[in-house]
Amino acid sequence: DTAVSQTPKYLVTQMGNDKSIKCEQNLGHDTMYWYKQDSKKFLKIMFSYNNKELIINETVPNRFSPKSPDKAHLNLHINSLELGDSAVYFCASSTILGKGSPLHFGNGTRLTVT
Amino acid sequence: DAKTTQPNSMESNEEEPVHLPCNHSTISGTDYIHWYRQLPSQGPEYVIHGLTSNVNNRMASLAIAEDRKSSTLILHRATLRDAAVYYCILTLRNSGGYQKVTFGTGTKLQVIP
Repeated sequence: DTAVSQTPKYLVTQMGNDKSIKCEQNLGHDTMYWYKQDSKKFLKIMFSYNNKELIINETVPNRFSPKSPDKAHLNLHINSLELGDSAVYFCASSTILGKGSPLHFGNGTRLTVT
Repeated sequence: DAKTTQPNSMESNEEEPVHLPCNHSTISGTDYIHWYRQLPSQGPEYVIHGLTSNVNNRMASLAIAEDRKSSTLILHRATLRDAAVYYCILTLRNSGGYQKVTFGTGTKLQVIP
């Protein structure tokens, strides 16, 4: 029973293409996140949604567009992919905002742009 | 934003206790202290968190200094499966009151058989 699941696990594509990564959580959480981990293993928050509403947007290029059709899903669409977009993207979820509730992460999507 | 400082790496012998330190001298009164770990090729995994008092769970213990400017994650008996990068994090609030979890560079723990 996977709590936070991401698809695909691996994504290899060429520069200029458009791709999407999907995320689903079955924990009943109301908040979901996207994180990017670069080649230096530094984890950086990109977006956060609460009840389908964008609450955190960390100066990410507008080529990245998150979409939350419902509380259990947060997808990430990337337009005009660039070499620098190569990274591992992690989805996460949590609940009880502002009270220190832990994040639950998926196992990541490794994106390689050639 | 309040930041944390951790050693880049630590070593421990298997089955011995491990104390992973973290300094957060600019912590504010509402910041929670969280610890996560990331095993190779996996997403970060929640370990423990606390606000002021020491905390215990099945994975580890968290000792928080009285002034809250530092904390220590304690693994009571290290196993090879505990080899990972351990992140000490302060959960921050943005202007809307929502928590934001920002990761630093973490401590890479090596467990020696």
